[in-house]
Amino acid sequence: GAVVSQHPSRVICKSGTSVKIECRSLDFQATTMFWYRQFPKKSLMLMATSNEGSKATYEQGVEKDKFLINHASLTLSTLTVTSAHPEDSSFYICSARPGERYNEQFFGPGTRLTVL
Amino acid sequence: GDSVTQMEGPVTLSEEAFLTINCTYTATGYPSLFWYVQYPGEGLQLLLKATKADDKGSNKGFEATYRKETTSFHLEKGSVQVSDSAVYFCALSEGNQGGKLIFGQGTELSVKP
Repeated sequence: GAVVSQHPSRVICKSGTSVKIECRSLDFQATTMFWYRQFPKKSLMLMATSNEGSKATYEQGVEKDKFLINHASLTLSTLTVTSAHPEDSSFYICSARPGERYNEQFFGPGTRLTVL
Repeated sequence: GDSVTQMEGPVTLSEEAFLTINCTYTATGYPSLFWYVQYPGEGLQLLLKATKADDKGSNKGFEATYRKETTSFHLEKGSVQVSDSAVYFCALSEGNQGGKLIFGQGTELSVKP
């Protein structure tokens, strides 16, 4: 149980285009999902917290107009990187929390984004 | 603010060696503590956790004890295997932070046959 999927696993796009990454909780409902960015050989940086049916809460320094997050249902959150540039190339990881009584998050396998 | 500090890697060990990866934290409240493992090319998997002082988390031969007096949560394994080669992340979560995880910088472990 507690499986989180991400799609796509890898994406290559041209500079200036937008890319959407999906995060799904497959066997549980996630009231909260988190989006992280991981640079090579670096820790995970929390980008934003996404609650179903409400606006995402972005961490300091993360551009909310560039990284659009939508948590439309209890099993799906999407991250759209708008007008992507090479510096947006990274490994994006989502996680999902089943409910407020859980202090554990379940992580997706990550999406490798390469912007040419 | 809250933070997690791990020993720097990479750590290279021979198979069957003893492993310790140090982790210390600073927190204003009483956080839950976690160890996550990331195998090459994959996402994070929860390895073990502890939710209160003196709790010991264990899984797959790995152990860590929540030490409030030293604000530590060191990861140990008595005999590592080549398949344990991965990056290990220590993390904390404060109950009043909406479930946010704060990660250490990660420690890369490489186990040689």
